[in-house]
Amino acid sequence: KQEVTQIPAALSVPEGENLVLNCSFTDSAIYNLQWFRQDPGKGLTSLLLIQSSQREQTSGRLNASLDKSSGRSTLYIAASQPGDSATYLCAVSSGGSYIPTFGRGTSLIVHP
Amino acid sequence: GAVVSQHPSWVICKSGTSVKIECRSLDFQATTMFWYRQFPKQSLMLMATSNEGSKATYEQGVEKDKFLINHASLTLSTLTVTSAHPEDSSFYICSATGTSGRPQPDTQYFGPGTRLTVL
Repeated sequence: KQEVTQIPAALSVPEGENLVLNCSFTDSAIYNLQWFRQDPGKGLTSLLLIQSSQREQTSGRLNASLDKSSGRSTLYIAASQPGDSATYLCAVSSGGSYIPTFGRGTSLIVHP
Repeated sequence: GAVVSQHPSWVICKSGTSVKIECRSLDFQATTMFWYRQFPKQSLMLMATSNEGSKATYEQGVEKDKFLINHASLTLSTLTVTSAHPEDSSFYICSATGTSGRPQPDTQYFGPGTRLTVL
């Protein structure tokens, strides 16, 4: 059974810092890995999707990497802004279906 | 493209009543829809998977008689929480995957969620 762990659980940083959020998974036979953003009381917004054959994906100030052999992914946020404050969820699809297993998320606060 | 909506966005009900939550794919045909629940500061837990026109598949520990799921069309799935109790209070999120082609068949598109509070 796939298990997804996200570290740290919470993070508070001043505006402008570059950030790294970590996601680890136990079963390396994955289809894809996705990073989501969730604002308080809201649904999920997909940020980046990395297919099993890919090593990274970039979108604006976000960069996500994937290392299947070590069971890890990182989400890099450059030049953080207060608007980046949210919970970031990592989800891994594996085990014969596309249904993702979610981590608990990293709660990020970027203060001015 | 690939927009999923949920209705209502929040609902408050009395203990013992039933509540229906709708999940719609607005611009694509959703062959499969998923229902999740999320407790505060917890991750999303899959409750059930439903394919259009067939019975839903429930995850272990989810009471199928309490959480009724209907996927009557390729754009609509409903979750009915029957005889709701305070412990059913949670954030319910649906997602959908499309047919082959657009949107990507291996990607789930999530709705905005429904906050259920049972008094």
